[in-house]
Amino acid sequence: DVKVTQSSRYLVKRTGEKVFLECVQDMDHENMFWYRQDPGLGLRLIYFSYDVKMKEKGDIPEGYSVSREKKERFSLILESASTNQTSMYLCASSLSNTGELFFGEGSRLTVL
Amino acid sequence: GIQVEQSPPDLILQEGANSTLRCNFSDSVNNLQWFHQNPWGQLINLFYIPSGTKQNGRLSATTVATERYSLLYISSSQTTDSGVYFCAVGNFGNEKLTFGTGTRLTIIP
Repeated sequence: DVKVTQSSRYLVKRTGEKVFLECVQDMDHENMFWYRQDPGLGLRLIYFSYDVKMKEKGDIPEGYSVSREKKERFSLILESASTNQTSMYLCASSLSNTGELFFGEGSRLTVL
Repeated sequence: GIQVEQSPPDLILQEGANSTLRCNFSDSVNNLQWFHQNPWGQLINLFYIPSGTKQNGRLSATTVATERYSLLYISSSQTTDSGVYFCAVGNFGNEKLTFGTGTRLTIIP
């Protein structure tokens, strides 16, 4: 079975702090994604990566950056957290030839 | 971009009932997936079904790509089926999937 692991289920941070969300997948998938999920807004794509060191902006990249130094690991970085970044963050991965998407358990971030 | 509409937005059923969830999309796609989000937030991939019909236990899905809709059937519902069901669509060459707003299913014992 595909396993996508997110480093933290729950985080509480203060405004202005730098936040790292880590995601690791164990199935050699080329593609990795970061989404955020908010009530009434559904799932929105922040960034995705189709290869090591490659990244593409999604629909809402502002305030975020990403890093993919190894194929299995995709990190989401909030350089200076703000209260409007309080949300559920979901990492996912997929193979290029099918696009079948597998999600991690999610990281619920609260910024105070 | 592609618009995805799911219906109904909410559905409350007794345990043992059957249900049909619908996903309409505005443009041709060659990637369509159904997901279940459990009450703890985990999204589970149920089906990868750009066309045709698939079955997995009590769940089945049908996509009619030419008419731009997909249906998810749940038979003999159990309380563990509760949660939100999402449809997501896209096209190869563009790795981004567009998600619908979901159907919240509540199964009452």
